[in-house]
Amino acid sequence: EVQLVESGGGLVQPGASLKLSCVASGFTFSDYWMSWVRQTPGKTMEWIGDIKYDGSYTNYAPSLKNRFTISRDNAKSTLYLQMSNVRSEDTATYYCTRDRPHVDYWGQGVMVTVSS
Amino acid sequence: DIQMTQSPSSMSASLGDTVTITCLASQDIGNYLSWYQQKPGKSPKLMIYGATNLEDGVPSRFSGSRSGSDYSLTINSLGYDDEGIYHCHQYYEYPPTFGAGTKLELK
Repeated sequence: EVQLVESGGGLVQPGASLKLSCVASGFTFSDYWMSWVRQTPGKTMEWIGDIKYDGSYTNYAPSLKNRFTISRDNAKSTLYLQMSNVRSEDTATYYCTRDRPHVDYWGQGVMVTVSS
Repeated sequence: DIQMTQSPSSMSASLGDTVTITCLASQDIGNYLSWYQQKPGKSPKLMIYGATNLEDGVPSRFSGSRSGSDYSLTINSLGYDDEGIYHCHQYYEYPPTFGAGTKLELK
């Protein structure tokens, strides 16, 4: 059974940094592109970026490229999202997803709240 | 970016009804479109990919179609388990984009 389990969210102050993790199981992690997608409190979905199966290439939403970094550790079957200089508009539930290339599995999501 | 205009934003239907949700793509996306069902407090679940392909395990009451730039999700014989928010998603071109979602409620 495919499982994606995110962690690392919580309440953070504006301007701070945060690193989310997503541990994958039930499939060969190193065979798949992976992505991060976030959902705002109003339920709007926004694609953040993706990373190639070997970690050699990433793509980002232009509006987030300068603040967010995606990486992976295939030995640990773990996907990461490094967020820097967070803003109130980054408040959302963050999902890691498996790409086929369409997204076929989503994690349970982790909430990030940016507030002072 | 490709805009996905999803309609309606919300709808209410009765048990056994047939409902259709539509996404209009602002430019050609081929058939690179998927549909997801999201229940309250849960993560989205893949229902349709490639515009018309039913994901394994999804009831055949769900179907996807395309007419030009309009992509539709149709649910036949509506049941209470079908309540939720439905999202369309284009993965033809970077950045991938989503529709605004359709909240489906049963009367």
